[in-house]
Amino acid sequence: GQQLNQSPQSMFIQEGEDVSMNCTSSSIFNTWLWYKQEPGEGPVLLIALYKAGELTSNGRLTAQFGITRKDSFLNISASIPSDVGIYFCAGRDAGNNRKLIWGLGTSLAVNP
Amino acid sequence: NAGVTQTPKFQVLKTGQSMTLQCAQDMNHNSMYWYRQDPGMGLRLIYYSASEGTTDKGEVPNGYNVSRLNKREFSLRLESAAPSQTSVYFCASSEVPRGQPQHFGDGTRLSIL
Repeated sequence: GQQLNQSPQSMFIQEGEDVSMNCTSSSIFNTWLWYKQEPGEGPVLLIALYKAGELTSNGRLTAQFGITRKDSFLNISASIPSDVGIYFCAGRDAGNNRKLIWGLGTSLAVNP
Repeated sequence: NAGVTQTPKFQVLKTGQSMTLQCAQDMNHNSMYWYRQDPGMGLRLIYYSASEGTTDKGEVPNGYNVSRLNKREFSLRLESAAPSQTSVYFCASSEVPRGQPQHFGDGTRLSIL
């Protein structure tokens, strides 16, 4: 089935660094979602975006709904060890609103 | 506040055995979902229930059945387990019917030999 192109696949950074990751689709989306999954747990919804250009923050996390409606970005500022995990994007295709499409995740490791 | 509770956490089955994965949420959410997560495949929707009394197929429903017993509980049954069903299974819930899954359980790790 359709999947989102999420990049990078993995990141290894130093504590305190800023992090950027993104997700792209081949079609126009009307919803973008960002989740975080820690080992042995289920995903946790971090941020939901519903309008092109929308910029939403959740603590040190900021996500944006791209103006082309085909991409979304997640930034983490001043990373800390507890940011470790896999970050997933997901979204709804504007032409098929019933289906939620998932990316394969960005694995983040933070060196203290 | 437990959120979404899944049982069991781990299970090993032999090919052909049956089992039911249990899920319960205590947030009075309308919609509930069953996903499976496999390496390199991302999360795939098996079944969902938009509200009590309704269920619909997702992307990969073959080999599974579901029951929305009441508003709190949504169970997933494997009638005749196959090795291809080895996976981590997640239950999730959302307040809005057909909305995005807001709360996930911690998963059931199922191995079929």
